[in-house]
Amino acid sequence: AQSVTQLDSQVPVFEEAPVELRCNYSSSVSVYLFWYVQYPNQGLQLLLKYLSGSTLVKGINGFEAEFNKSQTSFHLRKPSVHISDTAEYFCAVMHSGGSNYKLTFGKGTLLTVNP
Amino acid sequence: DSGVTQTPKHLITATGQRVTLRCSPRSGDLSVYWYQQSLDQGLQFLIQYYNGEERAKGNILERFSAQQFPDLHSELNLSSLELGDSALYFCASSPEGRGTGETQYFGPGTRLLVL
Repeated sequence: AQSVTQLDSQVPVFEEAPVELRCNYSSSVSVYLFWYVQYPNQGLQLLLKYLSGSTLVKGINGFEAEFNKSQTSFHLRKPSVHISDTAEYFCAVMHSGGSNYKLTFGKGTLLTVNP
Repeated sequence: DSGVTQTPKHLITATGQRVTLRCSPRSGDLSVYWYQQSLDQGLQFLIQYYNGEERAKGNILERFSAQQFPDLHSELNLSSLELGDSALYFCASSPEGRGTGETQYFGPGTRLLVL
């Protein structure tokens, strides 16, 4: 079984500050890793994903994430946030090569960007 | 806009009732997934269909059932509703539903309130 822990339920930051949203996962098998964003009253939108290759993954809206296999982490970063980045962010894993292609999500991190 | 549509947007009903949620996947996508988002459980995978066949089951209650029709739209049926079934129900779709890390595209969700 796999699980995802998002270490911070809420992260308040000021506009133009850098931000890191932390995600750790637990799995006995290889996984693919995803970050999704959910804006208020909307569905989830993919920010980025790690399948293989370079451990630094770049996504939309200036976000990037780094896969660290030894620490089983996939932290999301942005060097300078905007008010419009205020949203809930979800880290998720998918078992690679299995027959069950579900996403297992963390509980989410609410990022609030203040002026 | 992800291209996944869900109806209705909101649903208010009473305990003991039965409701049907509908999802139309992105054009060309063969796989549909259903997820439940609640405050206490977070985002949880319910069930996956691929080209009309059930492929994987998650934490789906026996009171809940789903199907995917020949035109690939899917319906999630919730019966004998309880207060605890109040949640946001998301549908997602992907091209093939295989364990290759393909992106799941989420609809805007149906918010169910059971009174």
